[in-house]
This record gives sequence, C-alpha cells and structure tokens, in this order.
Amino acid sequence: KAGVTQTPRYLIKTRGQQVTLSCSPISGHRSVSWYQQTPGQGLQFLFEYFSETQRNKGNFPGRFSGRQFSNSRSEMNVSTLELGDSALYLCASSRGGGRGSPLHFGNGTRLTVT
Amino acid sequence: DQQVKQNSPSLSVQEGRISILNCDYTNSMFDYFLWYKKYPAEGPTFLISISSIKDKNEDGRFTVFLNKSAKHLSLHIVPSQPGDSAVYFCAAITQAGTALIFGKGTTLSVSS
Repeated sequence: KAGVTQTPRYLIKTRGQQVTLSCSPISGHRSVSWYQQTPGQGLQFLFEYFSETQRNKGNFPGRFSGRQFSNSRSEMNVSTLELGDSALYLCASSRGGGRGSPLHFGNGTRLTVT
Repeated sequence: DQQVKQNSPSLSVQEGRISILNCDYTNSMFDYFLWYKKYPAEGPTFLISISSIKDKNEDGRFTVFLNKSAKHLSLHIVPSQPGDSAVYFCAAITQAGTALIFGKGTTLSVSS
C-alpha cells in the first residue's frame, strides 16, 4: 500500500511570492491534515480536511489556505511568503480523523523563503 | 500557549539502558495521547498511544505511562538501542477533536 506522497520535496521561493504544496493520501483515507514543523516550535497544526470540507483550523494567518478534492488529494497554498514561513510542511492522512485513526505522515515539503 | 509541553529538548542514553521521555499537558479536555518518532528527512511515524481510561500501555520495548492528576505522561524505552535515536513527539487530542496537538519534540541519542 503506497504511503502519503508529498510534492515537491524541496522548494525555494522569494519573499512575496506564493506557493502551492500537494499531498496524496493513502488510498481509502478521507482525512488530510497539514502541519508546519520549525526547529523552535515543533509540529504546529494548520488545518484538517475531511470529504472536501475543512473541519478544523489552527492558529495561522489567512495567508495559509488549503483545499481537498473529491479524490481526497489535498493542496496547501501560502500567499505573500515571508521569511518566517521557511519550514518543513507535513501532510498526514487517516481514515476518519480524530482519536481512532492514527495519522500517517508523508516525508514533507521543505520550503525555503529567501 | 503551548498545550502540550516537552520540556527536555534532548536526551542522551547508553545502549541497553532505559530512556524516559516526558510530556506535560495543560488542557484537561485531552483524553487520548500518542507518541510519534521522527527520523531526519522522514515524516513522523506512530509509535504508541494511551487512552485516559488507562494509566499504562505497553508494546514491546515501549511503555507509555499516564498520570491524569498531574497531567503528565512518559514514554519508557527498555532496553534502548542505537536505532531508537530520533526525535520523539508527544501528541494529544480531545474526545471530539479532529486535530492532534503536538509538543515540540525531544531528540533522543542512544550511544553504543
């Protein structure tokens, strides 16, 4: 069974640009969550989607947005990039989300903003 | 405000000894707790979990202890192996929640 796939693995962008990250969940998983990992803050929750609907959102500015498609694939968009957005962005999928479904993480997209 | 806290950024242990990783939480609504392990250049992988109705859960070399009154949990690894060297994240979720809340992680180094 294929795992969670995130593309691209690495991205370098300039401040002020926008970026779109992609995530393909494990087949049969309908919940997709996004996390930001930085050295000082650990894993911070961005948002969670289930059946194309955003069910939960973390404490991030509106520049961070996402969506989920009917095939459960998800994209995350960051507009007007800032230097502080440099981080590892992790996508995770689960069957239904919540406590009964352990998250399966992809290997992440490393975003560098210069 | 950090709801899940891992106050030790790093821990060094010798092979064969016990590793104890600690985690504290502030939200009394959390009732399910998990530990994830992360190697460099890989995503975190699920290790072990515990429900608030239990105070201990064991899986091979890994045991998680939960002290609800102290809002504290710990992960014990016995015996520790060099391959256990990784970053360990504690996470928690409420009964109705759909999002895991993670701590900042503890880097475990096991030397041979």
